[in-house]
Amino acid sequence: QKEVEQNSGPLSVPEGAIASLNCTYSDRGSQSFFWYRQYSGKSPELIMSIYSNGDKEDGRFTAQLNKASQYVSLLIRDSQPSDSATYLCAVLSSNTGKLIFGQGTTLQVKP
Amino acid sequence: EAGVAQSPRYKIIEKRQSVAFWCNPISGHATLYWYQQILGQGPKLLIQFQNNGVVDDSQLPKDRFSAERLKGVDSTLKIQPAKLEDSAVYLCASSAGTGSYSPLHFGNGTRLTVT
Repeated sequence: QKEVEQNSGPLSVPEGAIASLNCTYSDRGSQSFFWYRQYSGKSPELIMSIYSNGDKEDGRFTAQLNKASQYVSLLIRDSQPSDSATYLCAVLSSNTGKLIFGQGTTLQVKP
Repeated sequence: EAGVAQSPRYKIIEKRQSVAFWCNPISGHATLYWYQQILGQGPKLLIQFQNNGVVDDSQLPKDRFSAERLKGVDSTLKIQPAKLEDSAVYLCASSAGTGSYSPLHFGNGTRLTVT
């Protein structure tokens, strides 16, 4: 089992729709979770962090965390073509302190 | 605030040749990371420095990869000799600390192609 798993996609949504990106992780002791956005040919950029169960909202982005299910998600409301990118889920390992990345989900927002 | 600087942006070499990458972290950031990102995959940590000491290099192929961070600021990553499977983007990142609340800031990366 991979430490951090994401569906590679691509996930295609129409402009204005809600995009839902999912991530599962194996380290039950992990406490810190991050979402990075990576445009093609660019470096990852931190867009959300979440540490407690529940929802955390920032503008059009909402991160959701369920530690019991070892599941973290990112919702993007009113998706725009400029949101088209690869979204990387990252989990801070409780054992090693290393930030472990999933393979990323490619999101395509079609006008 | 200036970001993480990396050079070169692109490098093409033949297998068995050597190559070096350079990184200058954000001023004041104590922790520096080198990640390898193969096309279609997420970044994989190669080595982590805290100031000029190595915190984690468990996934660094030490028979061919080496890294140093002299004076706790700039860092270089070297590959010698390169293999075809080393073709990837090498990302340098820095953070103010090592705690849960110290986000990583990435440089633009060096895209390495080994032919």
